[in-house]
Amino acid sequence: DVKVTQSSRYLVKRTGEKVFLECVQDMDHENMFWYRQDPGLGLRLIYFSYDVKMKEKGDIPEGYSVSREKKERFSLILESASTNQTSMYLCASSTSGQVTGELFFGEGSRLTVL
Amino acid sequence: GQNIDQPTEMTATEGAIVQINCTYQTSGFNGLFWYQQHAGEAPTFLSYNVLDGLEEKGRFSSFLSRSKGYSYLLLKELQMKDSASYLCAVVDSNYQLIWGAGTKLIIKP
Repeated sequence: DVKVTQSSRYLVKRTGEKVFLECVQDMDHENMFWYRQDPGLGLRLIYFSYDVKMKEKGDIPEGYSVSREKKERFSLILESASTNQTSMYLCASSTSGQVTGELFFGEGSRLTVL
Repeated sequence: GQNIDQPTEMTATEGAIVQINCTYQTSGFNGLFWYQQHAGEAPTFLSYNVLDGLEEKGRFSSFLSRSKGYSYLLLKELQMKDSASYLCAVVDSNYQLIWGAGTKLIIKP
């Protein structure tokens, strides 16, 4: 079974703390994505990566950064967490060359910033 | 602007049929996805339509009309396990995914 694993299901952090969310996929996919999911809104793309060490900004990159040092791992970093970053964060991966290909999602990391 | 509209919530009865609509206004069109997301779980792929018409996959079918900017997901013989949110997403002219807010489907016995 294909698998996308997110390191933490639930996190509680304080304003100003640095937060790392990690995502690992075992499907040898080139493409990886970070989304946030908020009630009443569609998924919003934060960052994506088409290859190791490559990253592209999505629709809402402000306040976030990413790292992709290995093909299977894509990390989302909140340098200084703020309360408006309280959200569900979803990682996804897909096969390269298929821009309309199926996305495989992790189960999400629910972050609360106090 | 780009917009995907889906009903926020729907209720249906076990064993019945339900149709979940999705209308879109996007800059270009390169296909439409439906994903299912159970509460607290990852979204999972249901269907992809790029040509007009109905595609059937077991109890689930997905329909697309590009001229009307409209799609629906049809679920037959509803089961309690079909209680979930259903997400519609359109691939625009830049091959970016635009997501609807999702439809929460509640199945009652």
